[in-house]
Amino acid sequence: AQSVTQPDIHITVSEGASLELRCNYSYGATPYLFWYVQSPGQGLQLLLKYFSGDTLVQGIKGFEAEFKRSQSSFNLRKPSVHWSDAAEYFCAVGGAGNMLTFGGGTRLMVKP
Amino acid sequence: AAGVIQSPRHLIKEKRETATLKCYPIPRHDTVYWYQQGPGQDPQFLISFYEKMQSDKGSIPDRFSAQQFSDYHSELNMSSLELGDSALYFCASSRRDSPYEQYFGPGTRLTVT
Repeated sequence: AQSVTQPDIHITVSEGASLELRCNYSYGATPYLFWYVQSPGQGLQLLLKYFSGDTLVQGIKGFEAEFKRSQSSFNLRKPSVHWSDAAEYFCAVGGAGNMLTFGGGTRLMVKP
Repeated sequence: AAGVIQSPRHLIKEKRETATLKCYPIPRHDTVYWYQQGPGQDPQFLISFYEKMQSDKGSIPDRFSAQQFSDYHSELNMSSLELGDSALYFCASSRRDSPYEQYFGPGTRLTVT
């Protein structure tokens, strides 16, 4: 069975600083990997996805993520964080069956 | 662009009551998924449907049932509600040939008192 671990429950960064959110997955085959963002009380918005090919994927809102098979990681990055990026971020893997398995989420807070 | 529609957005029920949540997928999406997100938790997969047939089943209680209709909308029926059923229920939709490109609705917040 697939699983996802997001080691950081909370992260605080200053506005304008760079950001990296960690995600580690466990899945026997090549995974489909996703990052979603959720603002309080809102639904999940897809930021980016990795299916195959180039291991560095670009998403919306200036986010990017890098798939590293050797480390079983799919970390999310942004070079300069904006106050509006404050939200909960979920990494997810699509594996057996068609369901997505989510990590526990990382809550991002942005200091002015 | 059209998104996934869920209704109602908020629902308050008492213990042992029943609830029905509705989901209208993005046009031309034929697969619907239901997820449950408890307070401070990550979303957990409940069940999915393709062409009105159950496709996959996750951690869905026996008190819950769901179905997909010919217009591809789906309903999640919840009976004998318990306090622990209070959660945000998401519906997502996709095309069958891209099952992992799931687009989520805004969710229905169910509160059981």
